[in-house]
Parts: sequence; C-alpha cells; structure tokens
Amino acid sequence: DGGITQSPKYLFRKEGQNVTLSCEQNLNHDAMYWYRQDPGQGLRLIYYSQIVNDFQKGDIAEGYSVSREKKESFPLTVTSAQKNPTAFYLCASKDTVETQYFGPGTRLLVL
Amino acid sequence: AQSVTQLDSHVSVSEGTPVLLRCNYSSSYSPSLFWYVQHPNKGLQLLLKYTSAATLVKGINGFEAEFKKSETSFHLTKPSAHMSDAAEYFCVVSDYGARQLTFGSGTQLTVLP
Repeated sequence: DGGITQSPKYLFRKEGQNVTLSCEQNLNHDAMYWYRQDPGQGLRLIYYSQIVNDFQKGDIAEGYSVSREKKESFPLTVTSAQKNPTAFYLCASKDTVETQYFGPGTRLLVL
Repeated sequence: AQSVTQLDSHVSVSEGTPVLLRCNYSSSYSPSLFWYVQHPNKGLQLLLKYTSAATLVKGINGFEAEFKKSETSFHLTKPSAHMSDAAEYFCVVSDYGARQLTFGSGTQLTVLP
C-alpha cells in the first residue's frame, strides 16, 4: 500500500531543544517537500528536495534544517533558533505530472 | 509569478444544496491547477486537477471544477452537499516547470443539517 507516513503525530518541544520530524514515502517519487500550516494562513513552504543529496530553502527556512540521504526519507529538524515552532507540519512528495501527495501531518507543540 | 486567491474564507450550505467554492489565479505560463481537501488534523487529499486537457474536470466525491482562462478562475462545485463534505478546501496553482506550488489561504466549508 503506497503512501507517505509522518511520525510522530504529536511532538512536544522544550525551550532550547532541537526536534526532528520524520517523513517517509514508498511512492518512488524524486521530489519531496515540507510545509508549515498555521490557522488561517494556508501552507507555507519550508524546504524542498528535487533529488537525493540535494535540497533548497523555501519561503520560511530560517530555524529549520533538512537532509535527504535516501530517496524514501526527508526528515525535518526544528532547531532552537525557530522561535515560534508551534504549528502543523505537512510532508509531501511529487509525481512526474506535478501532483503532490501529502502525509497525515505532525502537530508540534511547545512546553 | 503565480498566485491564488480564494474569494471566500468561509462558506455555509445546507445539506443537499449546491456547493460553490471560488478560486481565481494568476500565472505567467500554462498553469496546472488543483483542489485539495483537508479534514481536521489530517493531511491534504487531492480532489481534482487540471493540466490543460478538458476544461471541465471531474474529481472524487462528486466534485468538479471548470477552468476558465478568460476569467482566470477555477471554481469548485458539487450539486448536492453532504455532511461529510465539511472541511477546509485549498486551491493550488503550479506554473509549467515551477518547482513550487502556490496555495490559496483556504475556504472552510460548513454543511448545516
């Protein structure tokens, strides 16, 4: 059964702590994306990767980092430099005809 | 440059009545257009997409959208609303060859019994 998985569903961060959100896909897609969603603001692009070992900053990359060591995986780290990390984070992958498919999301909360 | 405007942040309809969610876009080239639906605390699910084939696009769950180039619109419709349609809907545009999608700010659909 193909798809995108994200874990955990909920994540709690303490002040000064880095946390990592997992995103895995078995759709054999080259491109993967991370979005942040805040109420009433739609989705904003954090980082994206067109191919393994390559990634680019999106519109709101400050305070975040990513890696793309495997085609299937695109983890996102929320660093302590991100001062307002509370949001719903969505991962997506894109097929060859420009359609993006989304995971179920991770909600990050600050303690 | 590409942009999307969803003209209504909230739409309320009664169950069994038609749904109309409005979307206008701006695109430099031949765009691809999408509608996604999001239920609370869930990821986005693709409803339908337009990629320069037929201008009337049929999607899942009885939804359809019409691409009107002269009006730069891509409105989403459904003849008869169901309670399960209550969700947030996003209109999305992608220019040909663009590396990024541009999302509208969303329309919250409420279905009244």
